[in-house]
Amino acid sequence: QSVLTQPPSASGTPGQRVTISCSASGSNFGNNYVYWYQQLPGAAPKLVIYRNSQRPSGVPDRFSGSKSGTSASLAISGLRSEDEANYYCAAWDDSLRGVFGGGTKLTVL
Amino acid sequence: QVQLQESGPGLVKPSETLSLTCTVSGGSINGFYWSWIRQPPGMGLHWIGHVYYTGSTNYNPSLGRRVAISMDTSKRQFSLNLSSVTAADTAVYFCARVSLSGYPEYYDHWGQGTLVIVAS
Repeated sequence: QSVLTQPPSASGTPGQRVTISCSASGSNFGNNYVYWYQQLPGAAPKLVIYRNSQRPSGVPDRFSGSKSGTSASLAISGLRSEDEANYYCAAWDDSLRGVFGGGTKLTVL
Repeated sequence: QVQLQESGPGLVKPSETLSLTCTVSGGSINGFYWSWIRQPPGMGLHWIGHVYYTGSTNYNPSLGRRVAISMDTSKRQFSLNLSSVTAADTAVYFCARVSLSGYPEYYDHWGQGTLVIVAS
């Protein structure tokens, strides 16, 4: 079974740079891509990074992603209060089943 | 623009079947995976499964034979049935569209989510 592991929490002060990790284990993943979603309270998730490091239009360039081997990271620079949210990494396993990380609650102090 | 809307009962009794429908407006049904994802209160996202526009399906093995997802392209709807529910199935249920590029990619459109409580 494919598993994505994230830290439960992260924090930073306004203007800081924070990173959230996502580690893959278990059976193989499909296309080797990791996706990142931001979920504000009471809302549906929103895509902020696709294909490890690509930013959808409309997502600030403060958001960046990277992947090396079985580990991926989401970085947010110039942290702002509106970045406070839950962040989830996601991928597809080699049976084309969706997998989500457990989520990281980002607090802006 | 593409919009998804979940509908169905907000309260289901234990051991009964949870049934939800997602109605898609705008855009094409063809060429996409259509997913159900759930989120227990205060917890993370869990992939339930998806249906391809052709009707083929894939499910989270943790749900065993309890889950079934079907597609009705003429109504622009896809549905979730989860049988023998327990309190552990209490969650916000989201429907979502999966973008494809020869391979499933990301969830690019989501419904607002609907809370389903399992209780007697």
